[in-house]
Amino acid sequence: SQELEQSPQSLIVQEGKNLTINCTSSKTLYGLYWYKQKYGEGLIFLMMLQKGGEEKSHEKITAKLDEKKQQSSLHITASQPSHAGIYLCGADDYAGGTSYGKLTFGQGTILTVHP
Amino acid sequence: SQTIHQWPATLVQPVGSPLSLECTVEGTSNPNLYWYRQAAGRGLQLLFYSVGIGQISSEVPQNLSASRPQDRQFILSSKKLLLSDSGFYLCAWGRAVSTNTQYFGPGTRLTVL
Repeated sequence: SQELEQSPQSLIVQEGKNLTINCTSSKTLYGLYWYKQKYGEGLIFLMMLQKGGEEKSHEKITAKLDEKKQQSSLHITASQPSHAGIYLCGADDYAGGTSYGKLTFGQGTILTVHP
Repeated sequence: SQTIHQWPATLVQPVGSPLSLECTVEGTSNPNLYWYRQAAGRGLQLLFYSVGIGQISSEVPQNLSASRPQDRQFILSSKKLLLSDSGFYLCAWGRAVSTNTQYFGPGTRLTVL
């Protein structure tokens, strides 16, 4: 089955600093999804990448899928306390041939932003 | 627009008691529905998914069961809770058309004592 490894597991930055979170897959990624979660709340969908080399941005968050489609990075520019939370990557799970919309998730990266 | 509801938000139950968590989706029809559990280690474990009324697939053998009595209603149940059933339970829906994007509910925090 597909496994997603996120790094780092946790990250503490000062407000205004840039940061990057990585998501590496053991298999080719057909769809890669980034979510953000505040502690004790549900996941908020950020963006989705499908094509090798694709890059998407939302406000100060940019996500990229590398050409070989086995790694994605999430970059936050000029971080703010509002960016704090858990960031999770998810990937289409095609184990058995049909995904039925299922996703496999990484373990998450805990981001703390100090004012 | 679509919304997804879960209740209750928090639940404290004794070992051996039954469980029923409910998830409902509004603003869409025939969604795929998913139940996840998120333990303290932060990862999401897919428990059940459903592609239609009465169609339930289990991902992990366990003490829980799921049902989908209506198109936009998904229920997670147990006859007798175990300590290991404690966790944060998340329901999600998706269309699985052009992408497999899933949209999550607010979650239910279950503590089994």
